[in-house]
Amino acid sequence: DQQVKQNSPSLSVQEGRISILNCDYTNSMFDYFLWYKKYPAEGPTFLISISSIKDKNEDGRFTVFLNKSAKHLSLHIVPSQPGDSAVYFCAASPRGSQGNLIFGKGTKLSVKP
Amino acid sequence: DTGVSQNPRHKITKRGQNVTFRCDPISEHNRLYWYRQTLGQGPEFLTYFQNEAQLEKSRLLSDRFSAERPKGSFSTLEIQRTEQGDSAMYLCASSISYGRDGYTFGSGTRLTVV
Repeated sequence: DQQVKQNSPSLSVQEGRISILNCDYTNSMFDYFLWYKKYPAEGPTFLISISSIKDKNEDGRFTVFLNKSAKHLSLHIVPSQPGDSAVYFCAASPRGSQGNLIFGKGTKLSVKP
Repeated sequence: DTGVSQNPRHKITKRGQNVTFRCDPISEHNRLYWYRQTLGQGPEFLTYFQNEAQLEKSRLLSDRFSAERPKGSFSTLEIQRTEQGDSAMYLCASSISYGRDGYTFGSGTRLTVV
């Protein structure tokens, strides 16, 4: 039973355009959400996070939006660059957890020059 | 600071053999996590340490798995009597505090059981 779902296995975007990666969750007890980026043969790298008390967090080209009523979050990358091509994982932290995260299956982003 | 280091990078073993992986976290990080990632899936939590104390274990961590973190420094993950289903990438991560701002992951150890 997937508690964190990334329903798009892949996404292809033209360089300079916006990339939107989506994530849905089922557990109302999640109170913190994170996005990680993973290149082949490397471990995941933390990208950006958002607390459930907020609806938006921005860091440079990356913005995460949280819609709690829809149990949906999205990661926007503007403008997209070829170096952004990677697998992006959405992760959620249950309230009261000790820091263990529940990850989605990931979305492979390809940014074409 | 070279980040989180995991050794070996790759391990091929025969079914039934025991294997041990090592993780060296970032030196000032007191929390250490082990995750497992299989093909097409996201990382799945296995266990975590606060200093030398193992504070939480997932149901995925069967009795064939054991993890230690002596003296709160490096950690080892041992799998006894390996099975083909144990084939996966084993990821270690560390953090300085609660970890909610995101861990630092190592590059992982890829285990193949033949």
